[in-house]
Amino acid sequence: DVKVTQSSRYLVKRTGEKVFLECVQDMDHENMFWYRQDPGLGLRLIYFSYDVKMKEKGDIPEGYSVSREKKERFSLILESASTNQTSMYLCASSLKGQLNTEAFFGQGTRLTVV
Amino acid sequence: ILNVEQSPQSLHVQEGDSTNFTCSFPSSNFYALHWYRWETAKSPEALFVMTLNGDEKKKGRISATLNTKEGYSYLYIKGSQPEDSATYLCAFISLSNFGNEKLTFGTGTRLTIIP
Repeated sequence: DVKVTQSSRYLVKRTGEKVFLECVQDMDHENMFWYRQDPGLGLRLIYFSYDVKMKEKGDIPEGYSVSREKKERFSLILESASTNQTSMYLCASSLKGQLNTEAFFGQGTRLTVV
Repeated sequence: ILNVEQSPQSLHVQEGDSTNFTCSFPSSNFYALHWYRWETAKSPEALFVMTLNGDEKKKGRISATLNTKEGYSYLYIKGSQPEDSATYLCAFISLSNFGNEKLTFGTGTRLTIIP
């Protein structure tokens, strides 16, 4: 059974804290993505990675960074958490060069910044 | 930022009725379009992957069509059941300025089936 696993289901952090959201996939996928989901705004792409140590900014990268040191793991980092980063964060992965195959998602991390 | 739109934003449908909703996307540089179903407390799961203009896909009571020339896809649900209640997302697959694959999602259609 294919799996994308996010490290936490729920997380509460204080303003100014450094926050790490981890995502691990076991399908040997090259592509990995981080999205945030907010009511009325759908899934918005923060960052994505197409290979180890390779990354590209998505549509809303401000306030975030990412790390991909191993193929199976893609981390989203909030350098200094702010209340406007309270959201649901979803990780996804897909095969590179296979546009006719779907992406697979983690279960989401609901982050609250207080 | 690519413009991928879905309508309506939400929909209430009586059990047994049929329904449909729309995803519109850029008609240029098309690579693929995906449909996902996202049930509460679960991960989004793929329904259809569509790559060719005129594609029609079917899975049980759910089907989808694709028009890449005009930039839209329809999702149809026949004889709605309570288990169809979910948010339905479309994702437009494109290449970034650096040639890497990215998925841009619409805002979703939240479907509620009324028993």
